[in-house]
Parts: sequence; C-alpha cells; structure tokens
Amino acid sequence: EPEVTQTPSHQVTQMGQEVILRCVPISNHLYFYWYRQILGQKVEFLVSFYNNEISEKSEIFDDQFSVERPDGSNFTLKIRSTKLEDSAMYFCASSAQGGFARGTQYFGPGTRLLVL
Amino acid sequence: AQSVTQPDIHITVSEGASLELRCNYSYGATPYLFWYVQSPGQGLQLLLKYFSGDTLVQGIKGFEAEFKRSQSSFNLRKPSVHWSDAAEYFCAVAVTGANNLFFGTGTRLTVIP
Repeated sequence: EPEVTQTPSHQVTQMGQEVILRCVPISNHLYFYWYRQILGQKVEFLVSFYNNEISEKSEIFDDQFSVERPDGSNFTLKIRSTKLEDSAMYFCASSAQGGFARGTQYFGPGTRLLVL
Repeated sequence: AQSVTQPDIHITVSEGASLELRCNYSYGATPYLFWYVQSPGQGLQLLLKYFSGDTLVQGIKGFEAEFKRSQSSFNLRKPSVHWSDAAEYFCAVAVTGANNLFFGTGTRLTVIP
C-alpha cells in the first residue's frame, strides 16, 4: 500500500538555525499538508498546498515558515529561524483530491523536531 | 469556532474487553468526522469517517463509530480489543469547504493481558 514518508524521523537543532523537513507524498496525490503536534497538545493544521501554491494556512504558519515542492516527488517545510516553541512532531499528509467528501488525507509518520 | 474534545487522556482495557473512546465536537453544522490511529513510529492511519447518511459507520480493524447529533458526539467502539490495538487514537473534524482537519488531543489506549 502506498504511503507518505518523512525524513528525518528526528532532528535536533539550535535555536535560530534553519531546518528543512522533507516529505514524499503518495505519488498520484495532488494536495499536500503540514500539521504539527506540540508534546501533550493537539495536532494542529499548518498549511495546505495545491498546484504549486498555498491554498490555506493557519495563524501558526507565519513568515518563518515556507513550503515548497521542489520536484515531482518531494514536499518540504522550511523553518527559517527556529524558536524553542517550534519543538514538535511535524506531520505531512497528502490527498488525491481536495475537500473531505472526496479526498481522504493520508499521513506520514512524522518528524520530531527538538530546538535547543 | 470548531473544536474537538477527547475527555480521556489514557484508557487501559483488558484484551478481549470492549472499548469505547469518547469524542465531542463543537461546530454549528454537521461536520465531517474522523477517527485516526497512531501506532508507535507510524503515521496517522484513518480508521473511519462520517460524512452523512447512516450514523453508525464501520471502519477498519473491527472499529465502528456512532454519530449522535443531539450529543455532538462521535464515539469510537470495538467489541473485543486485541493487544495490537494499543496506540494513540485521535478524533478529528473538518468543516464544509475547508481542507484542514481539527484534531482532539488524543486518547492513549493500553491493552493488558
């Protein structure tokens, strides 16, 4: 069964450093998402991406964050200058179609980011 | 604003016992409702979803959930739990026209022999 993959599984970085989290969505999917879960808190939506542009973003997704689909297979989340509060599990998801009536979101295993 | 509440942070059940995980939502209309499961080291896997129609939905791995509009609930059930069901369970809602999910805080299920 096809699945979403994410690398790395764990990343430790120093505050102020840039990090790039990578995701390989399911190959025929067109919609891509990032969510995050701070330890002990809810999984929160960050951003959705379709047709090479952001379609929705939450208040969390400020100017420190950016997303990119650099080639036909990868989908990346960049945090330009990490803060302590960026420490979280980051989940990538993809769906074949938009809207939940048609497009189930499939999630990757997550990248655990620790900012020191 | 929409929200999801999972009142139970951690539940322990014996293998073979029945299971019910609670989920309540807050939203002005009927949302799309989901249950996801996360096993250690794995991604969030969709167990089942409700969009409309029959309020009792069947999912994978023997799970079912019932939508009760009057109680704004979407509780997950399984008649007989297996040790492999030990995981974190997340209830989520989506609102009409949006592409993002709103998750609850999750319920960790421990299964004891």
